[in-house]
Amino acid sequence: DTGVSQDPRHKITKRGQNVTFRCDPISEHNRLYWYRQTLGQGPEFLTYFQNEAQLEKSRLLSDRFSAERPKGSFSTLEIQRTEQGDSAMYLCASTSSGRIAKNIQYFGAGTRLSVL
Amino acid sequence: AQKITQTQPGMFVQEKEAVTLDCTYDTSDQSYGLFWYKQPSSGEMIFLIYQGSYDEQNATEGRYSLNFQKARKSANLVISASQLGDSAMYFCASDPTFTGNQFYFGTGTSLTVIP
Repeated sequence: DTGVSQDPRHKITKRGQNVTFRCDPISEHNRLYWYRQTLGQGPEFLTYFQNEAQLEKSRLLSDRFSAERPKGSFSTLEIQRTEQGDSAMYLCASTSSGRIAKNIQYFGAGTRLSVL
Repeated sequence: AQKITQTQPGMFVQEKEAVTLDCTYDTSDQSYGLFWYKQPSSGEMIFLIYQGSYDEQNATEGRYSLNFQKARKSANLVISASQLGDSAMYFCASDPTFTGNQFYFGTGTSLTVIP
């Protein structure tokens, strides 16, 4: 197992364009999280899935943002009509539910989005 | 919401010395989890150590140990025998309800190890 992988690593787009990021979690993990991290800040929770169900969404997740995890494996995060304020690192993490796993999250390397 | 406070924006430590990175949290829950992550310049968040609110002993993982003071709501990370590769951002985080439904991160501490 190679851990959590995210694609692409970097994305440069023009304002108003749509972008989509992909996250492949650790294979045996049923929970998948998305975060946004801006310069000088810690990651901010956006949303999370348990299997294919999206269980929690932050108020940070405006209606331009949508996330899916259709088969309970990989997930996509789409941003429509990008704005310059969307420029950030988007991090994905996965974990197993249950007390034994302690909800320890393992992160991918992130996708750095730059909106021009 | 549980707030995580890291008051040290930047820290310096001499190679082979120990360093303590501070973290305080704010919660009214009895059951919660606390975590430390390392983020090198490459960007990936690397899990270091975990402490559960009901754990009686402080967590240790190799050169990392967590100084957990429940009454003070602090969970400081101690790195012993610092190495040049320890230079990175360090984030304290919480799972405030012990359910994994939400996680909160602090603003981080930048650690620089001086040769």
